[in-house]
Amino acid sequence: GENVEQHPSTLSVQEGDSAVIKCTYSDSASNYFPWYKQELGKRPQLIIDIRSNVGEKKDQRIAVTLNKTAKHFSLHITETQPEDSAVYFCAASIRTGFQKLVFGTGTRLLVSP
Amino acid sequence: ETGVTQTPRHLVMGMTNKKSLKCEQHLGHNAMYWYKQSAKKPLELMFVYSLEERVENNSVPSRFSPECPNSSHLFLHLHTLQPEDSALYLCASSPAEVEGTIYFGEGSWLTVV
Repeated sequence: GENVEQHPSTLSVQEGDSAVIKCTYSDSASNYFPWYKQELGKRPQLIIDIRSNVGEKKDQRIAVTLNKTAKHFSLHITETQPEDSAVYFCAASIRTGFQKLVFGTGTRLLVSP
Repeated sequence: ETGVTQTPRHLVMGMTNKKSLKCEQHLGHNAMYWYKQSAKKPLELMFVYSLEERVENNSVPSRFSPECPNSSHLFLHLHTLQPEDSALYLCASSPAEVEGTIYFGEGSWLTVV
């Protein structure tokens, strides 16, 4: 089955810096890659996703890149702000009529003012 | 956002108790999921119901018993749990027929004593 690895487990940056979180997946049939943000005590919320027919997607300060050949995808956050502090999860899924997401272990991002 | 509602939000139960977690979604989705979130472990998919039929059961112990009476409601019945079952249990939903995003509820914090 699918296996998703995520690095780093913790990431500390200064406000205004960029942050990059990387994930690798094992199943070449995976075709959907969402990223979720989970603030303390809150639900995971989708912040951006990418499908296997696209190499890059951007939404304001957040971007995701996908390299299908290498089977890795990354989340890029520019101009980080303290409110970006949270745990970020990557996931990979093979669309089979329902979403069977396999999650990475999460990255705790801390943005210091 | 009140699309996926879980009750109770917090539950403490003894190992011999029987309790249930409830999930309700108001998004018109027809796939529903139970995920388990433990400290320092990735989100683990437990069960999936698509169009009210269980389509995934990820080797979950029989002390966890799901029930999906209709496409809007999902239950997780708990009995004779172990302390290591203490975790955050997240319900989620997504559209089944078209590619769509998984939306999570706020979760039920379960402590087994």
